[in-house]
Amino acid sequence: EPEVTQTPSHQVTQMGQEVILRCVPISNHLYFYWYRQILGQKVEFLVSFYNNEISEKSEIFDDQFSVERPDGSNFTLKIRSTKLEDSAMYFCASSDLLGTNYEQYFGPGTRLTVT
Amino acid sequence: GENVEQHPSTLSVQEGDSAVIKCTYSDSASNYFPWYKQELGKRPQLIIDIRSNVGEKKDQRIAVTLNKTAKHFSLHITETQPEDSAVYFCAASGYTGNQFYFGTGTSLTVIP
Repeated sequence: EPEVTQTPSHQVTQMGQEVILRCVPISNHLYFYWYRQILGQKVEFLVSFYNNEISEKSEIFDDQFSVERPDGSNFTLKIRSTKLEDSAMYFCASSDLLGTNYEQYFGPGTRLTVT
Repeated sequence: GENVEQHPSTLSVQEGDSAVIKCTYSDSASNYFPWYKQELGKRPQLIIDIRSNVGEKKDQRIAVTLNKTAKHFSLHITETQPEDSAVYFCAASGYTGNQFYFGTGTSLTVIP
């Protein structure tokens, strides 16, 4: 069964540094998402992406964040200048068809630790 | 925006007993309600979902009920097994955007 993959599994960075988290969604999926989960808390939506542009974003997704689909397979989340409070598990997800109200398949996550 | 509340935050049951987790949502436009199971350090995985045009859905030992009028939905696990131990998240999604709004999670422990 196809799965969403993410790299790296764990990223440690210093405050103020830029990080890029990478995701490979399921190949025939059209919608892509980033969520984050601070340790012990709920999963929070960051951004959704469709047809090479952002379709929705949350208040968390400020100017420090950006997403890109640089080629036909990768989907990246960049944090320009990391803060301590960016430490969290970041999940990529994808869904097929038109995306609305359909299952989202989650990747295994990247644990980001900002020191 | 949508606000999803989930209760209880922790639940312990004896193996073989039933477990019930409840969620409420605020946006009447929400019409898709998935439940995800997350084992420690792993990705959330869909276990069952329900759309707003039905009131109940069952898959073996797992069932979900939806009350649109009251804006709440519940997960029922019967004949619980130790491998059911995990954190369970409910979520809601609507037409206006397809992002999921998650509940705060329920840590279920099944005691052998």
